Amino acid sequence: EVQLVESGGGLVQPGGSLRLSCTASGFTFSPYWMAWVRQAPGKGLEWVANVEQLESETQYADSVKGRFTISRDNPKNSLYLQMNSLRVEDTAVYYCARTYEYTGSYWGHWGQGTLVTVSS
Amino acid sequence: EIVLTQSPATLSLSPGERATLSCRASQSVNTYLAWYQQKPGQAPRLLIYDASNRAAGIPARFSGSGSGTDFTLTISSLEPEDFAVYYCQHRKNWPLTFGGGTKVEIK
Repeated sequence: EVQLVESGGGLVQPGGSLRLSCTASGFTFSPYWMAWVRQAPGKGLEWVANVEQLESETQYADSVKGRFTISRDNPKNSLYLQMNSLRVEDTAVYYCARTYEYTGSYWGHWGQGTLVTVSS
Repeated sequence: EIVLTQSPATLSLSPGERATLSCRASQSVNTYLAWYQQKPGQAPRLLIYDASNRAAGIPARFSGSGSGTDFTLTISSLEPEDFAVYYCQHRKNWPLTFGGGTKVEIK
């Protein structure tokens, strides 16, 4: 069974940093694209960032470009999101997601989410 | 950026009725469109990909159609567990975007 478990969320002040982690199990991690998708309280879904099989291939939403960094450690079956210069508007539940097929940017498996609150 | 507009925002229906949800793209996405279902407190679930392909384990009452800029998700006969919020998402190019969602509520 595919499992994605996020951790690292919490309360942080504006301008602060946080690192989210996602530990994957139940499948071979390295061939799949992975992503972070967020959802502000009571709002819709927003794609944040994507990493392909190789860590060098990444894409970002304009809203986080230059502030967030997505990375993966294939031997550790782990996905990360380093979030710097956090803003109030970054407050959201952050989901780790895996592609349905190896590539293709449709998200077939999701974690339960971790809440990030940016507030003073 | 491709903008996806979903309508209606809310659909009030009874169990057993047919639900028709719309997603319109600001430019062509070919058939690179997916539909997700999200229930309160849960992560989204992939229902349909490439406009009309059901994901594994998705019941046959869910179907998707469309290409270019106009897409439809149809639930042929609503079950109690189908009352939820539905989102469309394209993968035509970067950035990936989602529609604003359609809430299907019990009438």
